[in-house]
Amino acid sequence: DQQVKQNSPSLSVQEGRISILNCDYTNSMFDYFLWYKKYPAEGPTFLISISSIKDKNEDGRFTVFLNKSAKHLSLHIVPSQPGDSAVYFCAASKSAGAGSYQLTFGKGTKLSVIP
Amino acid sequence: EAGVTQFPSHSVIEKGQTVTLRCDPISGHDNLYWYRRVMGKEIKFLLHFVKESKQDESGMPNNRFLAERTGGTYSTLKVQPAELEDSGVYFCASSHDRVSYSGNTIYFGEGSWLTVV
Repeated sequence: DQQVKQNSPSLSVQEGRISILNCDYTNSMFDYFLWYKKYPAEGPTFLISISSIKDKNEDGRFTVFLNKSAKHLSLHIVPSQPGDSAVYFCAASKSAGAGSYQLTFGKGTKLSVIP
Repeated sequence: EAGVTQFPSHSVIEKGQTVTLRCDPISGHDNLYWYRRVMGKEIKFLLHFVKESKQDESGMPNNRFLAERTGGTYSTLKVQPAELEDSGVYFCASSHDRVSYSGNTIYFGEGSWLTVV
C-alpha cells in the first residue's frame, strides 16, 4: 500500500509560468517531507524540504507548501524554466524513532517545461 | 568532493546468475542506504547501514539479497540467484545524519541498472 502518492504521472507547463506538483501521504507518523529532482540516467538530487512544524518553505524559485490536516504537500516552481524538465519525487520521513533514516517515495511526476 | 559512486552502471545477466553491485559513499558519511526502483514503481528503501552495522534491513525483499559494508567504507549488494523481477535500478545513497536534521540530506548515486533476462 502506497504511503506517498503522486497522482499525476506527468505535467506540461509553458516556460515562465508556474508549475505545481502535488503529493499526498497517508501515514500520520511522517513529519518531514522532501522533494527530489531526477534527470535521466542520474540519481535523485535534493531540491527542498519542509518540517511538519512549518506550512511553507521557500528557496529561490521553489516553494513547498504543507497542509497537515489534508496530508497534502505541493511544490511550486515560479517561473518555470526548460532546465526544470525532470522527474520530481516527493518523499517523506519520520524525524525520530524507527524508520527515521528511511525515505518513503512517491512514484514521481515528470515535468516538461515547454520553451 | 566526490559524490556517491556506484559500479557497474549497467548489468545484464541471465536468470539464476549472480550479480554484485558496489557503492562508495561520500567520504565521512557513516550512513549508507540502498534503494531500488523497479519499472513503473516508486523508489523503495532496501536497507540502512551505520558504519559497518545493518541498522534497518526491513526493505530487503528476500534472502536472495545480501548487503555488506565491511570496514564501514564501501558497500556491496549481491543478488544470488537473480530473478526476472529483480530488474530495475539500484540506488545507493549516503548521509551524515538523519534527514530531518537541519541542513542534512541524503545524497544519491547515479544508480546501477540491472536487467535480468
